[in-house]
Amino acid sequence: DIQMTQSPSSLSASVGDRVTITCRASQSISTYLNWYQQKPPKAPKLLIYSASSLESGVPSRFSGSGSGTDFTLTITSLQPEDFAIYYCQHSHTIFTFGGGTKVEIK
Amino acid sequence: EVQVVESGGGLVQPGRSLRLSCIPSGFNFGNYAMSWVRQAPGKGLEWVGFIRSRAYGGTTEYAASVRGRFTFSRDDSKSIAYLEMNTLNTEDTAVYYCARARGSYIFSFDVWGQGTMVTVSS
Repeated sequence: DIQMTQSPSSLSASVGDRVTITCRASQSISTYLNWYQQKPPKAPKLLIYSASSLESGVPSRFSGSGSGTDFTLTITSLQPEDFAIYYCQHSHTIFTFGGGTKVEIK
Repeated sequence: EVQVVESGGGLVQPGRSLRLSCIPSGFNFGNYAMSWVRQAPGKGLEWVGFIRSRAYGGTTEYAASVRGRFTFSRDDSKSIAYLEMNTLNTEDTAVYYCARARGSYIFSFDVWGQGTMVTVSS
């Protein structure tokens, strides 16, 4: 099965910062990648699908890029409501999640 | 409002079985694939299972950790999906989320329930 590895596992940032989270697949997955935000104990929320398509209603400060094995989620100008845990996910047949990246307040 | 609601969680002894239900509303259930995702206490998300819509054969996929023990099914006439969990062990303790899977070849989980807690303990 395809493994998804996120880095870093956690980061500290300030409001207004630009944040980048990386997700690496164990083999090429084209653009078959989703990104989710979770604020425990709430359910996850879809942010990005097909590696770079912004889900309806999600602020434009969120963006995704990448293809093949390497992907990034970028948050430009971090807002207070963005402090959360972010997960990448393979989006075909076996829907493996990455281990998550916790974005904390510096 | 488009939503899904899970039920059926609870405390169960190791080796026993439990069935979870997922009831959708606000959308045509039969047109969508569905999935289950779980989250153990303090841990990350783990995908559990997936079922395609009838138009794509209603076939299922499972994570290796549950394959052979869990069965995902759907009854489109009643608009309900089930996760039958057998031979449960303590590692199956988690919040179980039902999610709508949007797409036809690649999928994104765009509608999530609030989750139902399953605790496996003697």
